[in-house]
Amino acid sequence: QVQLQESGPGLVKPSETLSLTCAVSGYSISSGYCWGWIRQPPGKGLEWIGSIHQSGSTYYNPSLKSRVTISVDTSKNQFSLKLNSVTAADTAVYYCARAKSTGWRLDNWGQGTLVTFSS
Amino acid sequence: QSALTQPASVSGSPGQSITISCTGTSSDVGGYNYVSWYQQHPGKAPKLIIYDVSNRPSGISNRFSGSKSGNTASLTISGLQAEDEADYYCSSYTSSSTYVFGTGTKVTVL
Repeated sequence: QVQLQESGPGLVKPSETLSLTCAVSGYSISSGYCWGWIRQPPGKGLEWIGSIHQSGSTYYNPSLKSRVTISVDTSKNQFSLKLNSVTAADTAVYYCARAKSTGWRLDNWGQGTLVTFSS
Repeated sequence: QSALTQPASVSGSPGQSITISCTGTSSDVGGYNYVSWYQQHPGKAPKLIIYDVSNRPSGISNRFSGSKSGNTASLTISGLQAEDEADYYCSSYTSSSTYVFGTGTKVTVL
């Protein structure tokens, strides 16, 4: 059974860089699929941040593209999100998920981690 | 990219059927058969319930069904049950090789 688990700081200062990691168990990242990040501000809807294919190709939300980097570490079977120049508007629950390479349906999700931005 | 448009709320009585619409453009919903639907209960991660317009993952009740016509996709929940009360999000692959979610619909079981 595939399991994903997000980890990272729950509090980040404005203008700093948010770094989150998603550890994958029960499936080898290098075996295929895309791996993505999604966020949800408190009380609001879902927003796709971006995805990375196991080959290393990346795809980003145009509205966040200038601030986002997603990478994969196959040796640790995990992938990561970096979001720079953060503001209070980036406060959200951040989810990682596995996405089918064709069509990108998100069939396995992590439990999510709340990240708050405050000075 | 703009979020797909869903009604903010839909309600129904136990046993009834309800339908949630999801309107996009020819660059997303209308251009691909890659529409998915997710169910999210409060405080929980979203769960995939429909993929590729009308397919159900293993373990999802056949009371959930999906369809598409033009730029609008729909999710129908038949035999509405109390446990169906949740938020529902549609999503689609896009021509820009990105992914977009709908605005979300809160389903209330009366």
